[in-house]
Amino acid sequence: SQQGEEDPQALSIQEGENATMNCSYKTSINNLQWYRQNSGRGLVHLILIRSNEREKHSGRLRVTLDTSKKSSSLLITASRAADTASYFCATEGSGGSNYKLTFGKGTLLTVNP
Amino acid sequence: NAGVMQNPRHLVRRRGQEARLRCSPMKGHSHVYWYRQLPEEGLKFMVYLQKENIIDESGMPKERFSAEFPKEGPSILRIQQVVRGDSAAYFCASSPYREYYNEQFFGPGTRLTVL
Repeated sequence: SQQGEEDPQALSIQEGENATMNCSYKTSINNLQWYRQNSGRGLVHLILIRSNEREKHSGRLRVTLDTSKKSSSLLITASRAADTASYFCATEGSGGSNYKLTFGKGTLLTVNP
Repeated sequence: NAGVMQNPRHLVRRRGQEARLRCSPMKGHSHVYWYRQLPEEGLKFMVYLQKENIIDESGMPKERFSAEFPKEGPSILRIQQVVRGDSAAYFCASSPYREYYNEQFFGPGTRLTVL
């Protein structure tokens, strides 16, 4: 079964720096989504990139998708302390059970003021 | 437009008791999904429901767990005879009718603690 796996597991940066997180998966997908989770809270949907897209932007977020390598990256530019959270990638598989999102374990991002 | 609502937000149960978790999807959404998040882990799919139908429950333990999404009212995830290993955060998500892709909107979760 497919699995999104993020790396690094934890990332600590200074405010103003860029943060890059990576995600790898194993099987064919319809799309890949990134979510943020603040400590002890629910998930916030950040961005969705479809399998036929290579790059997508949303504000300070930039997501890339390389289906040949089965990998994606999330770049947060000019980070802020409020960006401190766990970030998860989730893949929606192609095929019959494409409603299931498969999540990785996440990257814990700490942005120090 | 209210988001996905879950209650209770926190639930404490003793071993052997029953836990009932409720989820009200976003207005207009007819698809509901339940996920479980163990500490330090990502979310794991449990079950996918549409109104009055269980579409896929492949991620749900065969025993003690059940889910429903009745014609009227919220979706319910029921855990009977809870054990300590059931302690986790349970998230519900909903989506509208999907044609091309599935953006799921998540609720704030219910944190279940089994003593």
